Amino acid sequence: DADVTQTPRNRITKTGKRIMLECSQTKGHDRMYWYRQDPGLGLRLIYYSFDVKDINKGEISDGYSVSRQAQAKFSLSLESAIPNQTALYFCATSDTSNGRRETQYFGPGTRLLVL
Amino acid sequence: AQKITQTQPGMFVQEKEAVTLDCTYDTSDPSYGLFWYKQPSSGEMIFLIYQGSYDQQNATEGRYSLNFQKARKSANLVISASQLGDSAMYFCAMTTNTGNQFYFGTGTSLTVIP
Repeated sequence: DADVTQTPRNRITKTGKRIMLECSQTKGHDRMYWYRQDPGLGLRLIYYSFDVKDINKGEISDGYSVSRQAQAKFSLSLESAIPNQTALYFCATSDTSNGRRETQYFGPGTRLLVL
Repeated sequence: AQKITQTQPGMFVQEKEAVTLDCTYDTSDPSYGLFWYKQPSSGEMIFLIYQGSYDQQNATEGRYSLNFQKARKSANLVISASQLGDSAMYFCAMTTNTGNQFYFGTGTSLTVIP
């Protein structure tokens, strides 16, 4: 089984709808992240969480919210989806126990299309 | 501010040849880590290699090596003996000791030609 899973893998929704993307991990990592990827722009950070009680905004948090329900679960919500939120969304986790070598491990991604 | 720059939007390499993908970074933090990720057409992000700013030697992982030139703030990825399966997008990334985020470049698309 994959260490970082994302559901759904693909989603088509309409403008104005609220949707939730879910991320679960079995790696036991304390840190979790949500990114979006757009062609030519690389990955941009939406939100990140260092533990269950810690939520931080990233570079592009407007229009998004998150919930860290447990150490293993981190959900991303689009309150009212708009077409320019069409993108590939990645969840990632990282482990600080290795000191400076804090590698991020990614889920398989969710392709979202907002019509 | 932290920044990662990848100046090669696309690269081509002949199968079995070596290729270098460029990455430069900008940070004022003396302690940082540099990463390379591979993204095949299927979309997943695969961790390839890590280099710490205090590491004395260049990192190597199989056919991947990182040409770390600290004074020039560059962390180029070298892929030796390219294979068709190496065709993918490659992203350079950085994290710093004082920062709480990973910073990604815009990526380089590598195509391996048979």
